[in-house]
Amino acid sequence: GDSVTQMEGPVTLSEEAFLTINCTYTATGYPSLFWYVQYPGEGLQLLLKATKADDKGSNKGFEATYRKETTSFHLEKGSVQVSDSAVYFCALSAPTTYSGGGADGLTFGKGTHLIIQP
Amino acid sequence: DSGVTQTPKHLITATGQRVTLRCSPRSGDLSVYWYQQSLDQGLQFLIQYYNGEERAKGNILERFSAQQFPDLHSELNLSSLELGDSALYFCASSVGGRHSPLHFGNGTRLTVT
Repeated sequence: GDSVTQMEGPVTLSEEAFLTINCTYTATGYPSLFWYVQYPGEGLQLLLKATKADDKGSNKGFEATYRKETTSFHLEKGSVQVSDSAVYFCALSAPTTYSGGGADGLTFGKGTHLIIQP
Repeated sequence: DSGVTQTPKHLITATGQRVTLRCSPRSGDLSVYWYQQSLDQGLQFLIQYYNGEERAKGNILERFSAQQFPDLHSELNLSSLELGDSALYFCASSVGGRHSPLHFGNGTRLTVT
């Protein structure tokens, strides 16, 4: 079945450091790929997405490129801030088997706990 | 604010009991999803409804059931509760389709004692 593998952490960095969180996936067909972020006490929020190969998603200084050849969707940010401390989830959505829309639900990685120290 | 409302925020109950978790999706969203988040299992997809009909099933136990009502709100029923059912339960909604992002509520924290 579909699966997502990501580094679990915790990942601890100093403010203004470069961030990479690795994510690789296994899926049939051509999935859509997502990064979600979860701040303490809150639900998950969409950070960015990519729907086809070579697409680059970006938001709030974060970027990730859909690499079909390496089945990867690594998250990067050039200069992290203390406020970026959170849990980051990589996820995929497989092609729907139902007409009229309706995704089959996202398959999530286990999440990466990111801690940014001042 | 995602627009998805989950109640209650916290629930403490005993083993063997039954509870109901409620979710109101974002206005205009037809799909509702339920997820369970625990430390050891991560985020597990339970079930999805689309416009009142069950659309997809994930790792949902037979003791658990859900439904989506005509006004599109959804309820997740958990029965014969066990200690291992203690977790965060998230509801999410979307307009539908695999390119559509999910919008998550803040979750219901269930503690079974």
